[in-house]
Amino acid sequence: NAGVTQTPKFRVLKTGQSMTLLCAQDMNHEYMYWYRQDPGMGLRLIHYSVGEGTTAKGEVPDGYNVSRLKKQNFLLGLESAAPSQTSVYFCASSYLPLAGGPPYEQYFGPGTRLTVT
Amino acid sequence: GEDVEQSLFLSVREGDSSVINCTYTDSSSTYLYWYKQEPGAGLQLLTYIFSNMDMKQDQRLTVLLNKKDKHLSLRIADTQTGDSAIYFCADVLPEFLYDKLTFGKGTLLTVNP
Repeated sequence: NAGVTQTPKFRVLKTGQSMTLLCAQDMNHEYMYWYRQDPGMGLRLIHYSVGEGTTAKGEVPDGYNVSRLKKQNFLLGLESAAPSQTSVYFCASSYLPLAGGPPYEQYFGPGTRLTVT
Repeated sequence: GEDVEQSLFLSVREGDSSVINCTYTDSSSTYLYWYKQEPGAGLQLLTYIFSNMDMKQDQRLTVLLNKKDKHLSLRIADTQTGDSAIYFCADVLPEFLYDKLTFGKGTLLTVNP
């Protein structure tokens, strides 16, 4: 199993350009997440999905859109990139949590380093 | 909102024990996690503790939880150079549709030979 993979690994954008980050998982996980990691800060949740065809906003959703057309893929889009979106982006996936049960481990991809100039 | 704090740096000598500390604010946290991030890699779950436990031991790792003070620590015995990484503390709060993880800023552990 490849686990969680992310494409691309690095990208440099100019302000105003658009791009899509792709996350793929082969563990048949229902849940998928997009986080950003900034220097000296913990990870912050951008958007998440609880299943194919569903998405929801996380802690810092502004400036991003997401889509989950297939269960194994979760796309993160930047329509008009801004320097404030320079960050490392991590995708994660997990099984569906059971009500009242322990949370399932989130498995993380290796990250995409994005620089917006 | 929930806040998770941890010290930013820790430097130890190879063979010594490392202790990384973390505090959190929400007493509703159900689980507390320790993640490890090696350079250029994603986060990997190292260990976790349920909020009604005081201690959990897993080989060289010992997690201590003081729920009254909302203080969590990770002890790594016989620290090796391969333990050099950033360690994130995270707490888990159940939300409507998912379990929300709130991460600390991470502690950079440097192990000197």
